[in-house]
Amino acid sequence: ILNVEQSPQSLHVQEGDSTNFTCSFPSSNFYALHWYRWETAKSPEALFVMTLNGDEKKKGRISATLNTKEGYSYLYIKGSQPEDSATYLCAPSTDSWGKLQFGAGTQVVVTP
Amino acid sequence: ETGVTQTPRHLVMGMTNKKSLKCEQHLGHNAMYWYKQSAKKPLELMFVYSLEERVENNSVPSRFSPECPNSSHLFLHLHTLQPEDSALYLCASSHTTQLGTDTQYFGPGTRLTVL
Repeated sequence: ILNVEQSPQSLHVQEGDSTNFTCSFPSSNFYALHWYRWETAKSPEALFVMTLNGDEKKKGRISATLNTKEGYSYLYIKGSQPEDSATYLCAPSTDSWGKLQFGAGTQVVVTP
Repeated sequence: ETGVTQTPRHLVMGMTNKKSLKCEQHLGHNAMYWYKQSAKKPLELMFVYSLEERVENNSVPSRFSPECPNSSHLFLHLHTLQPEDSALYLCASSHTTQLGTDTQYFGPGTRLTVL
C-alpha cells in the first residue's frame, strides 16, 4: 500500500484569493497521477491525469504540476470562488490496470 | 440516463440480511470498480473488473461478493455484514488501455448503514 499524503488536510480561503496544496507519493512504480474534485453529495469529478515529470495541466482557474522524481504534485486555484469549495483528492496509479491509491484529500472552503 | 448510476443511494441493513448494490454505466467503458470510503479514511479500492473479468481483489472479506454480468453492470452482494462495514460505497468505470492512465468516472455512491 502506497503512502499518499495530502496537505494541508483543510484550508479556508477568502473569495478572490489564490491557494495551493500538495500531494506527495512514492516515486517508484509510477504510472500516472490523478486529481479529482469531490463536492459534498456529488460524485468525484476527474480534473487531471498527469504522467510526465514536469507536466503542467490547466482547467479554467485550476492548474497542477507534477514532479515524478521527488514524488509530489501541486494543485493551484487562482482567484478562488465559492463554487471551488470541495475536497480535492490525488491518486497515483501504480499498475497498468490503473489501480488508484487515494490520498485523504484537502478540503477547501471558499468564503465570500 | 448518462454517466454512472448507483442504486440504492441509501441502505440500512441488519447483520443477518442479504442485500445487493447495483451500478450501471452508460459510457461504453470496459472496466468497472468498487471503492469503499469509511469515516475519516481515504477511498479504498475493493474490486476491479476489466472486460468482465475480475483483475483485482484487494484483500476484501468474503462477505462482500462482486458480480459483473456484462460491461455495463456491476453488483456488490452483501451478506452477514458487520457494523464496521458501514461506509459509502462508490462505483466507477473507465475505458481501460492498460497504460495506467485511464480516467475513472464515479457514481454518486450508496451510503450503507449496518445495524
